[in-house]
Amino acid sequence: QKEVEQDPGPLSVPEGAIVSLNCTYSNSAFQYFMWYRQYSRKGPELLMYTYSSGNKEDGRFTAQVDKSSKYISLFIRDSQPSDSATYLCAMSPPGTASKLTFGTGTRLQVTL
Amino acid sequence: GAVVSQHPSRVICKSGTSVKIECRSLDFQATTMFWYRQFPKQSLMLMATSNEGSKATYEQGVEKDKFLINHASLTLSTLTVTSAHPEDSSFYICSARGGAYEQYFGPGTRLTVT
Repeated sequence: QKEVEQDPGPLSVPEGAIVSLNCTYSNSAFQYFMWYRQYSRKGPELLMYTYSSGNKEDGRFTAQVDKSSKYISLFIRDSQPSDSATYLCAMSPPGTASKLTFGTGTRLQVTL
Repeated sequence: GAVVSQHPSRVICKSGTSVKIECRSLDFQATTMFWYRQFPKQSLMLMATSNEGSKATYEQGVEKDKFLINHASLTLSTLTVTSAHPEDSSFYICSARGGAYEQYFGPGTRLTVT
């Protein structure tokens, strides 16, 4: 079993839809959670990062962390074709030497 | 803020030659940088962790004599692929730790070994 599970998709939604992307994890030591967006042949771009449980909102993006269920989500409101990309969740335990553990990524396609 | 650059963005080299890839944090200092490799339609594979002024820590299965990493300053880390072979062809991405835990990634370098 992988430490971080993420549905690879592809996920296809119409423009304007609300998108829900999710990851589950098994390591209870994870405290820091991140979402990255990666366009084809580009490096990942940090979208959101949160510490421990709770919600964080930034524009059209909302990140949720439920540590009791070991489940994190990224919601995208009013999705746009430019949101079409692969979305990677990543997480790490505390400590300055901690490495990120990534999900496999979910490919999102927003259609006109 | 939090911009990381990589150079070159694309390189083609002949088998047996060495290639150096630079990773720079442009607007912040990074004591820790990371080097990843990514195959098509796959997630990122961590190769090594680079700490300024000390030797890099390599992940299991990564040949440290083949992938030489130098982190000479707080804004620059380099990855040298020595005696490159076609199987080393891949997308190499660096990242820099910007704060306590978040990492900012460079745009990546596509290496093709002929």
